[in-house]
Amino acid sequence: QVQLQESGPGLVRPSETLSLTCAVSGYSIRSGLYWGWIRQSPGKGLEWIGSTYYAGSTYHNPSLKSRVTISVDASKNQLSLKLSSVTAADTALYYCVTSYSMTTGSWFDPWGQGALVTVSS
Amino acid sequence: DIQMTQSPSSLSASVGDRVTITCRASHSIGTYLNWYQQKPGKAPKLLIYSASTLQSGVPSRFSGSGSGTDFTLTISSLQPEDFATYYCQQSSSLPGTFGQGSKVDI
Repeated sequence: QVQLQESGPGLVRPSETLSLTCAVSGYSIRSGLYWGWIRQSPGKGLEWIGSTYYAGSTYHNPSLKSRVTISVDASKNQLSLKLSSVTAADTALYYCVTSYSMTTGSWFDPWGQGALVTVSS
Repeated sequence: DIQMTQSPSSLSASVGDRVTITCRASHSIGTYLNWYQQKPGKAPKLLIYSASTLQSGVPSRFSGSGSGTDFTLTISSLQPEDFATYYCQQSSSLPGTFGQGSKVDI
C-alpha cells in the first residue's frame, strides 16, 4: 500500500524557491506509477501542478510550467517539487499524489496528508 | 483547459437524506470523470472513477452517473461520516481540472 508524506519549509519569502519533498513508502518509486503534486488554496481550489514517471516522462500544468521542477530520487524513494519565483498566490496546501497513468482516464490515489506553505516576507 | 462546475456549492442535509451533487464540464469528457471526498483537515480521498466505478472500500450508498458534459454523484442515504466536501475532476485531457467543490453539512 502506497503511503506518501510531504515535508519542507512552511514559510517561503516572495521571489524565492519553494522546495518540498515527498517520502514514498510501501512501494518502490522505480516500479511504475506517476508521482506528482496537487495544491489547494482558498482562491484557486484544487490545482494539479505536475507529475513525473521514474523512467522519464514529466507533465506540467501549463499555468505553472516555467516555474516548476518535479524530480524523483530513486535511491531515497522520494519525490521533490521546486517552484521558483513564488508570490503570495502560491500560498497553499501542497499534496503529493500518485496516479497509474497520465493519459486519458486516470485518477489520483492515494494522496499524502499535505504540507502547508505560506509565502510571506 | 476544461472547466468543471459543480452545483450546489453547499447544501444542508440530514442523516438518511438522499443527496445529489452535479458536475458539468465545459467540453465533452466522455466518462473520464472522478469524484473525491474531503473531510476537514484531511486530504481528498478517491470515491468514484470513470464516472461510475466505486473505488475499493467505498460504501455502496455512493453512486456516480453521467457522460459527456453532465455528471451526478448521489448518496442514497446520508450517514454522519458523509458530511464533507466533494470534488469532481476530469481526466479527459491535461491539465486534469477540478470542480470548486460541494460542501455537505447539517
